[in-house]
Amino acid sequence: QVQLVQSGAEVKKPGASVKVSCKASGYTFTGYYMHWVRQAPGQGLEWMGRINPNSGGTNYAQKFQGRVTMTRDTSISTAYMELSRLRSDDTAVYYCARDRITIFGVVTRGYYYYGMDVWGQGTTVTVSS
Amino acid sequence: QSALTQPASVSGSPGQSITISCTGTSSDVGGYNYVSWYQQHPGKAPKLMIYEVSNRPSGVSNRFSGSKSGNTASLTISGLQAEDEADYYCSSYTSSSTGVVFGGGTKLTVL
Repeated sequence: QVQLVQSGAEVKKPGASVKVSCKASGYTFTGYYMHWVRQAPGQGLEWMGRINPNSGGTNYAQKFQGRVTMTRDTSISTAYMELSRLRSDDTAVYYCARDRITIFGVVTRGYYYYGMDVWGQGTTVTVSS
Repeated sequence: QSALTQPASVSGSPGQSITISCTGTSSDVGGYNYVSWYQQHPGKAPKLMIYEVSNRPSGVSNRFSGSKSGNTASLTISGLQAEDEADYYCSSYTSSSTGVVFGGGTKLTVL
């Protein structure tokens, strides 16, 4: 079955970096965009950006520009999200989520937003001194 | 970019219908038919319920429907059931960043 499995919980100090992984299975990893979304405790969802696993191309939310880096390793069907210069307000659950349509579909229909149909289980990142 | 605006909470009795609104601008909800809705139960990952304003993914109950008028999208749940009690989030494409923006979320309570 289609599945996204994320890495385990992390505890980091302010100023450090964290790298979260998301391993895909059950579908062609390079065929779909991967989004990253986070959720602070008791708060709503916040989109961080997306990566094209085929080309490596990225699109980051303005808020995270300069602090976030999304990469992938196609040989192991894994996407990564690294956030640097961590602050206490980066404490959150971080999710990876697959785009609903294929990259070919995006090329055909346009670079918009078609929904996220498969989600990882989430990775808790705690930033504390 | 600013989050889309949703009511903090809505409630309804079993069997009733409720509607959750999601207000944006002409740069997001009003300008494009790329609105999605997600359901999230406590401690769980979100689940896609509606995509492209009014389409249901396979396996989602037809009690869930979506629509849009101007800068406001809506999610309607008919025949409320206890299991519908959850948080609901709208999201939209935004031309501000060629990315995605979420609403603040609405807590649905089934009385």
